[in-house]
Amino acid sequence: KAGVTQTPRYLIKTRGQQVTLSCSPISGHRSVSWYQQTPGQGLQFLFEYFSETQRNKGNFPGRFSGRQFSNSRSEMNVSTLELGDSALYLCASSLGWGQGATDTQYFGPGTRLTVL
Amino acid sequence: AQSVTQLGSHVSVSEGALVLLRCNYSSSVPPYLFWYVQYPNQGLQLLLKYTSAATLVKGINGFEAEFKKSETSFHLTKPSAHMRDAAEYFCAVRTYGGATNKLIFGTGTLLAVQP
Repeated sequence: KAGVTQTPRYLIKTRGQQVTLSCSPISGHRSVSWYQQTPGQGLQFLFEYFSETQRNKGNFPGRFSGRQFSNSRSEMNVSTLELGDSALYLCASSLGWGQGATDTQYFGPGTRLTVL
Repeated sequence: AQSVTQLGSHVSVSEGALVLLRCNYSSSVPPYLFWYVQYPNQGLQLLLKYTSAATLVKGINGFEAEFKKSETSFHLTKPSAHMRDAAEYFCAVRTYGGATNKLIFGTGTLLAVQP
């Protein structure tokens, strides 16, 4: 079974631009979560989606947004990029979501975003 | 609120020596605990997880971890280190029964293995 795939793997943008990152979960997985990894802040939760609905959101500004499609694929968008948005963006998928769910999150290789 | 603390941001061991990476958790409810490993320029790979079954959990690549409620710990061990174990290791917690899959990560421990 193929793992979580993320595209693109590397991206260079300039301040003020916007960017869209894509994540395809493991086949059959319906929940997708996004995390930002930086040397200073470590791994921080951005948001999670299940059944095309955002279920939770981390403490990030409104410039960070996302969505999930009916095939469970997800995209995240960052508008008006800032230098501090340079990070590794990781997507994770799991089978289900919700109360009592014990599903493990499986991570993709990440998208390395550099903002100049 | 749940949290995890990883003691030691850098750990160095000799090849063949015991690996011990420390993780303490804080949770008011039974936690689910995970160890992930990250190799350079890669995503996170699951090593093992604790979900309230056996307290001693065996994972991949010869790693294991023991859940100790009295010490609120979930330390990761491996009897004999290999060069290929050099990577960054993250402990994470997820709340049991919460309406979220969100993981809260520790700050990570970078493991160096000396020949």
